[in-house]
Amino acid sequence: DAGVIQSPRHEVTEMGQEVTLRCKPISGHNSLFWYRQTMMRGLELLIYFNNNVPIDDSGMPEDRFSAKMPNASFSTLKIQPSEPRDSAVYFCASSPGPLTYEQYFGPGTRLTVT
Amino acid sequence: AQSVTQPDIHITVSEGASLELRCNYSYGATPYLFWYVQSPGQGLQLLLKYFSGDTLVQGIKGFEAEFKRSQSSFNLRKPSVHWSDAAEYFCAVGAPGGADGLTFGKGTHLIIQP
Repeated sequence: DAGVIQSPRHEVTEMGQEVTLRCKPISGHNSLFWYRQTMMRGLELLIYFNNNVPIDDSGMPEDRFSAKMPNASFSTLKIQPSEPRDSAVYFCASSPGPLTYEQYFGPGTRLTVT
Repeated sequence: AQSVTQPDIHITVSEGASLELRCNYSYGATPYLFWYVQSPGQGLQLLLKYFSGDTLVQGIKGFEAEFKRSQSSFNLRKPSVHWSDAAEYFCAVGAPGGADGLTFGKGTHLIIQP
């Protein structure tokens, strides 16, 4: 299996621009998670889906952040408009079972907003 | 809700020496427990997991962890570390049947001295 695939791996954008991060979970996994990692705040859970349905988005920092999962093999995390404080590494993870089973992480997208 | 504590932010070990990374959790019953490793610039990789049964769990890369209910601990061990083990290590806990996903500790940064 190819594992969780994220694109792009690196993104540099200017403040105010829209950013879209993409994730393809492992085939057959029915839960998907979006995380953000920074030096200051560590690993933060932003939102997660189960069977393509958002379960909890309480970790999404602001209305500027939105996530979708239109089908079992694709999810997006969008930031509009982006701000410098959004600079971080964003990880997508998928899980084969219930929400508290092991998660498999993608390589991450390093976002820099200037 | 569950929580997890990794008391050591940094640990330095000489190459070839043994290693123990501490993890304490808070949960009313027996949780699901996980250890992940993150190398620089990489995503989190699952080392091992505990759901039930034998309290000593073997993982990849020569790691093992022991679940101790009386101490609410799930410490990670390795008998002899290699320079390639230098990384960030995260302990995580999940509530069986829960809907909150996993709770991650803040991580322990492992430094290997030659």
